[in-house]
Amino acid sequence: DTEVTQTPKHLVMGMTNKKSLKCEQHMGHRAMYWYKQKAKKPPELMFVYSYEKLSINESVPSRFSPECPNSSLLNLHLHALQPEDSALYLCASSQSLVATNEKLFFGSGTQLSVL
Amino acid sequence: SQQGEEDPQALSIQEGENATMNCSYKTSINNLQWYRQNSGRGLVHLILIRSNEREKHSGRLRVTLDTSKKSSSLLITASRAADTASYFCAGLSGGFKTIFGAGTRLFVKA
Repeated sequence: DTEVTQTPKHLVMGMTNKKSLKCEQHMGHRAMYWYKQKAKKPPELMFVYSYEKLSINESVPSRFSPECPNSSLLNLHLHALQPEDSALYLCASSQSLVATNEKLFFGSGTQLSVL
Repeated sequence: SQQGEEDPQALSIQEGENATMNCSYKTSINNLQWYRQNSGRGLVHLILIRSNEREKHSGRLRVTLDTSKKSSSLLITASRAADTASYFCAGLSGGFKTIFGAGTRLFVKA
């Protein structure tokens, strides 16, 4: 199984809502990532988890709260988002962060619209 | 910040032609990777070239790396309509961060 599964595929939320994005992989990967991608732009790194611990936070606003409950799951909790946060949110995983030879496996993303 | 800058930003070719995309980067890298993204979907890893390699092939893909010029190119030979997608180069920054270039949008006309 070389899949990274993201749910939901689409999400529309108001600025006062709280929602969560979910990501799951069963490849035994120990590094997991959240990226944000605006239309016609490259993915931008948000967070990196290694062995279920947050390793990198790219100065992401606190209205985005990541969580890694176990080695297979990664969540992104959303609260009080702004319309400019509308984007495709991509989850990825890799075998580890010891990374001279690592490739990322991506999910299909959650298309988020904030109204 | 982006690791790589790609050119062209967009490329339109006929089926059967070759497509060449270039990527330049600013910092030292351990490896450089190319990914493909169909519209609105996740990225798919295509090929990885290490900093001590100059050229690598995978099927219809050929990647070159020139570390002295901090540049890489991706060649897709005998393109097909199904190759229509965005292509991104990516490099490791700060040890653990895979950072993507701006991307080239390729359109292959049948």
